[in-house]
Parts: sequence; structure tokens; C-alpha cells
Amino acid sequence: EAGVTQFPSHSVIEKGQTVTLRCDPISGHDNLYWYRRVMGKEIKFLLHFVKESKQDESGMPNNRFLAERTGGTYSTLKVQPAELEDSGVYFCASSQAPRNYQPQHFGDGTRLSIL
Amino acid sequence: AQSVTQPDIHITVSEGASLELRCNYSYGATPYLFWYVQSPGQGLQLLLKYFSGDTLVQGIKGFEAEFKRSQSSFNLRKPSVHWSDAAEYFCAVGARNAGNMLTFGGGTRLMVKP
Repeated sequence: EAGVTQFPSHSVIEKGQTVTLRCDPISGHDNLYWYRRVMGKEIKFLLHFVKESKQDESGMPNNRFLAERTGGTYSTLKVQPAELEDSGVYFCASSQAPRNYQPQHFGDGTRLSIL
Repeated sequence: AQSVTQPDIHITVSEGASLELRCNYSYGATPYLFWYVQSPGQGLQLLLKYFSGDTLVQGIKGFEAEFKRSQSSFNLRKPSVHWSDAAEYFCAVGARNAGNMLTFGGGTRLMVKP
């Protein structure tokens, strides 16, 4: 089966611009997660979708970040306007609906550089 | 709140030598525990997981990890390291609730000498 796919793999934009990251989860996975790793820091949780609903968005840094998952399939994460501190690697992960705990499968990440 | 500590930022071992990467966690109950590996230019790949039962878990690529509740540890081991094991390794804890978000350690970068 196809894994979690993220697009683009790299994005370089200037401060103040807008960028949209996309994640296609594994087919049939209801749970979709976004994480971020800022250089030199840990990978941090941003938010969690169950199908199209936001289950937990406690990790979103501020209101410049907007995540959507229309129709419960792919998800987008928009940063508007981008700031220098938003640079990092953004990971998406998906998992099946848990009957028991289901491990999360990660994409390759999007490396975002803000100049 | 849960937390994960990986005390070693960098480790260098010779090819063929044994390896142990340390992981300590803080969590109020028995956690779900994971090790992920990130090879250069790639995403996070699940090496192994602990949910319950046998405290010694086997993973892919010859790795194993042992859950020690008394020490709040989940160290990763491999008896003989290969050059292809050079990568960054992440320990993570998952909360036993509906969200199951992962909390990661800072990662350990493994270098392998020929």
C-alpha cells in the first residue's frame, strides 16, 4: 500500500508570504496528525484529525497556522503570514481508527525555510 | 504531562560493535513506547513498539528494546551495528487516550565508523 505522502518536499519562501503544505494519509486511515521539528529541538505535536474533525489542536503555535481536512481524506496546513521561526520540518502521520492502539505512520516531511 | 529524554545527542560506534541508545520517559501510567528511525532524506520509520506484555520487544532491522518500569526506561539495542544503521533515532511515548498523540525525545544521531 502507498505510504503517507507529503508535498512539497521542500519550500523556500520569504517572511510574510503564505505557504500551504499537503498531506495524503494512508488510504482508510481516519487519524491524521501534524508534527513539526524546529532545528535543534524535539519533534512537537501540532494537531490531530479524526476524519474531518479536529480532535486536538493544542499544539498549534498561533493563529497564523490553519489546518484543514476536507472530506476526511487529505489535509492541508497553511501558514499565513510566515515568520522566520516557522522554519523547520513538518511531518504528517496517519493511523487506523483504534480498536487497540494503532501506530502512526509518518511521511517524509516538508522542509520549510523562511528567509 | 508526559516527557521523553534521550541523554545522548550523538553516538559513534564501530561497524560490528554493539549499540545501546538510551531513552527515559515520564508518564503517569504505563505508556505506549516507540522507537523511530530517520535516515538521511527520509521520513520517520517505526522500528518497534511496546504496548503491553513481554517487556523485551523485537523490531525490524535486528533491533530490540526493553521496557523497564522501575527505571522508566526503554533502551534500544542492537548486537552488531551495520554502516547502514547510521541515522537519527527517536524515542516516543504515546498517551493512552483517544488522541494518542506522540511525545518525542530530542533524538540521538548515530554515526558508524568503518
